[in-house]
Amino acid sequence: DAGVIQSPRHEVTEMGQEVTLRCKPISGHNSLFWYRQTMMRGLELLIYFNNNVPIDDSGMPEDRFSAKMPNASFSTLKIQPSEPRDSAVYFCASSLFTGGMNTEAFFGQGTRLTVV
Amino acid sequence: KNQVEQSPQSLIILEGKNCTLQCNYTVSPFSNLRWYKQDTGRGPVSLTIMTFSENTKSNGRYTATLDADTKQSSLHITASQLSDSASYICVVSDEGSQGNLIFGKGTKLSVKP
Repeated sequence: DAGVIQSPRHEVTEMGQEVTLRCKPISGHNSLFWYRQTMMRGLELLIYFNNNVPIDDSGMPEDRFSAKMPNASFSTLKIQPSEPRDSAVYFCASSLFTGGMNTEAFFGQGTRLTVV
Repeated sequence: KNQVEQSPQSLIILEGKNCTLQCNYTVSPFSNLRWYKQDTGRGPVSLTIMTFSENTKSNGRYTATLDADTKQSSLHITASQLSDSASYICVVSDEGSQGNLIFGKGTKLSVKP
């Protein structure tokens, strides 16, 4: 398996534009996480899906952020409209939830978003 | 509030030396604790996972300990190498949220020749 695949690796956009980040989890994993990482705040959970259903979206900063998981092999994180303070590295991770716990989470390479 | 605190924030050591990183958590109910290594520009990679009943686990030159009573963990790196330079992140799984992962801010380790 190629691991968790994120695209694009880098994104530079102007303030006010819509940004869509994509993630393909590891085949067979049923949990998917979106994280945002900044120097100041470290890694923050944005949203967590289990079996394609959003379980915890309390980390989504505001209505400008939305995430979908239409099937087990694809998820998107959309920011509309984007703002400079959204600049960060966005990570997607997947794991297998079994026996009441998530096993090891595998992370993608991240998308470095810069909003100018 | 569920929190994971790590110390020190950053650390510089000479190649070949040992070091220990600390993690304190207030997560409850507790499911498991993980240590991740994150190289610059890359995603975190798991080093160890420990459940409530485990108090030590090794992965090569990395040894993690867990004291579930005091809610403390440490990661000991033996005979450090230049490639150990990275951020080390302590992550605790919150069993109450179907396995939500709560991340510490990490310790940035620099190994100098």
